Amino acid sequence: DTEVTQTPKHLVMGMTNKKSLKCEQHMGHRAMYWYKQKAKKPPELMFVYSYEKLSINESVPSRFSPECPNSSLLNLHLHALQPEDSALYLCASSEDLQGIAEAFFGQGTRLTVV
Amino acid sequence: KNQVEQSPQSLIILEGKNCTLQCNYTVSPFSNLRWYKQDTGRGPVSLTIMTFSENTKSNGRYTATLDADTKQSSLHITASQLSDSASYICVVSAGDYKLSFGAGTTVTVRA
Repeated sequence: DTEVTQTPKHLVMGMTNKKSLKCEQHMGHRAMYWYKQKAKKPPELMFVYSYEKLSINESVPSRFSPECPNSSLLNLHLHALQPEDSALYLCASSEDLQGIAEAFFGQGTRLTVV
Repeated sequence: KNQVEQSPQSLIILEGKNCTLQCNYTVSPFSNLRWYKQDTGRGPVSLTIMTFSENTKSNGRYTATLDADTKQSSLHITASQLSDSASYICVVSAGDYKLSFGAGTTVTVRA
């Protein structure tokens, strides 16, 4: 199984809503990532988890809150988002934090903030 | 600053024809270079990954080359199919957690 599964595929939320994005992998990977991708732009790194601990926060606003409940799951909690936060949110995983191993990406969650 | 530049920005080819995409990078140190295919609104899917010592790697109709001396890579698509229409992204790793992404080349295959 070389899949990274993200749910939901699409999400529309109001600026006062609270929602969560979910990501799951069963490859035994110990590094997991959240990326944000705007249309026709490359993905931008948001957070990195290594062995279930937050290793990197790329200066992401606090309205985005990551959580790693166990080695297979990664969540991104959303609260009080702005319309400019609308984007494709990608989860990825790799064997470890070293950028040597191949990264596998999920299919993404298309988020629209209204 | 680590940079990855891709060319062309977009191209249109007829079904059955070949095409070559280019990637130049200034990432240092260099660990590996990956090519991903990304359909609109979907996550990137890995095509190839090459380390410093590898000059070429194939995955079906996709063949990637790497010249680590000139810091250039290419992705050649042979006998294109309609399903090859996508964005192709060159990604370079310096061996740490951060990947350097190119802006991608959008390929449109027409019947």
